[in-house]
Amino acid sequence: GENVEQHPSTLSVQEGDSAVIKCTYSDSASNYFPWYKQELGKGPQLIIDIRSNVGEKKDQRIAVTLNKTAKHFSLHITETQPEDSAVYFCAAPAGNEKLTFGTGTRLTIIP
Amino acid sequence: DGGITQSPKYLFRKEGQNVTLSCEQNLNHDAMYWYRQDPGQGLRLIYYSQIVNDFQKGDIAEGYSVSREKKESFPLTVTSAQKNPTAFYLCASSPGTATNEKLFFGSGTQLSVL
Repeated sequence: GENVEQHPSTLSVQEGDSAVIKCTYSDSASNYFPWYKQELGKGPQLIIDIRSNVGEKKDQRIAVTLNKTAKHFSLHITETQPEDSAVYFCAAPAGNEKLTFGTGTRLTIIP
Repeated sequence: DGGITQSPKYLFRKEGQNVTLSCEQNLNHDAMYWYRQDPGQGLRLIYYSQIVNDFQKGDIAEGYSVSREKKESFPLTVTSAQKNPTAFYLCASSPGTATNEKLFFGSGTQLSVL
């Protein structure tokens, strides 16, 4: 099955700086890579996703990059704001089937 | 919460008791899922259903049961066979039958053992 590793487990950045979270996956057949944001006491919310036929996707301050050769993908948040503080999860499908989630990164934005 | 309602928000289970967590969606989504979240861990799939009257086991189905009698509803029962039920339970739905895309999550139910 798919094995997804996520780093770092915690991350603190100054407001306005950039944050980068990285995930590696094991199944070379995986072709879809979402990122979810979970705020305290709430369910995760999809913030961006990428398919394996592109190397980068942007949505305002958020971007995801994918390196299929190295089997890793990263979430980039620029110009961070206090509302970006949350737990972020990456995920990858096991052979086009069910998602396997990473263990999460707790991001804290320091005002 | 994207049209997915989970209840109750907090639930307590006594030894040997079965408890049922409710999940309702008004998004007209075909697929529904139950995940378990433990502190410091990722989400683990318990059961999923791609269509009414059909469901499949996920990675940690032992000690749990589900039903999908209506498109809108996917209740999860935590049975007495689940020896470590304390966790945060998340229900999700997705618009297609693909089991990996565009999940919409509810706000979760925190289950604790008395």
